[in-house]
Amino acid sequence: EAGVAQSPRYKIIEKRQSVAFWCNPISGHATLYWYQQILGQGPKLLIQFQNNGVVDDSQLPKDRFSAERLKGVDSTLKIQPAKLEDSAVYLCASSPQTSGAYKNIQYFGAGTRLSVL
Amino acid sequence: GQNIDQPTEMTATEGAIVQINCTYQTSGFNGLFWYQQHAGEAPTFLSYNVLDGLEEKGRFSSFLSRSKGYSYLLLKELQMKDSASYLCAVREGSGGYQKVTFGIGTKLQVIP
Repeated sequence: EAGVAQSPRYKIIEKRQSVAFWCNPISGHATLYWYQQILGQGPKLLIQFQNNGVVDDSQLPKDRFSAERLKGVDSTLKIQPAKLEDSAVYLCASSPQTSGAYKNIQYFGAGTRLSVL
Repeated sequence: GQNIDQPTEMTATEGAIVQINCTYQTSGFNGLFWYQQHAGEAPTFLSYNVLDGLEEKGRFSSFLSRSKGYSYLLLKELQMKDSASYLCAVREGSGGYQKVTFGIGTKLQVIP
């Protein structure tokens, strides 16, 4: 079974530039998550999709971050304009339709490491 | 909201046993996860507890006490490859939306 695919793996940009990340979840997984992980910290949820609908974007800085999940499969996360404090690893995860405890295990992609200079 | 506490760093010797603690405060508790994250890699699932007690899986065990808001991850017969960060994550909510919040992670260094 293929895992969660993310691209690019690394990105270096200057502040005020824009950047986009792409995620392809495990086939059949209904729930997709985007996390921001700053060095030395745990993952922080930015946005959670159930199919192509947003169920939680309470911690997404909406003035600069946006995300979409077209057709309930692939997703993109965009930052425009980027700030220095956006330097972090952006992790995408997916999980199956949640109806029982074990079905909510999250499977993570390798992440995109963003450096904002 | 949630508050999850775990030590930031621990050091243990190869072959030994180490216990990583996690305490949490939450309403609507609905399960606790442990993930392992090697440096520069994605987190991977280790264990899940929703009822009180001990869950054993090979060299790794996880314990939960819901009344105390407390869990620990026990690693036996430590190996050098166990050097990683261990993330405690708490799920809350039921029905259609369940939110998982991660702790800061405990960086474990295994020394010879």
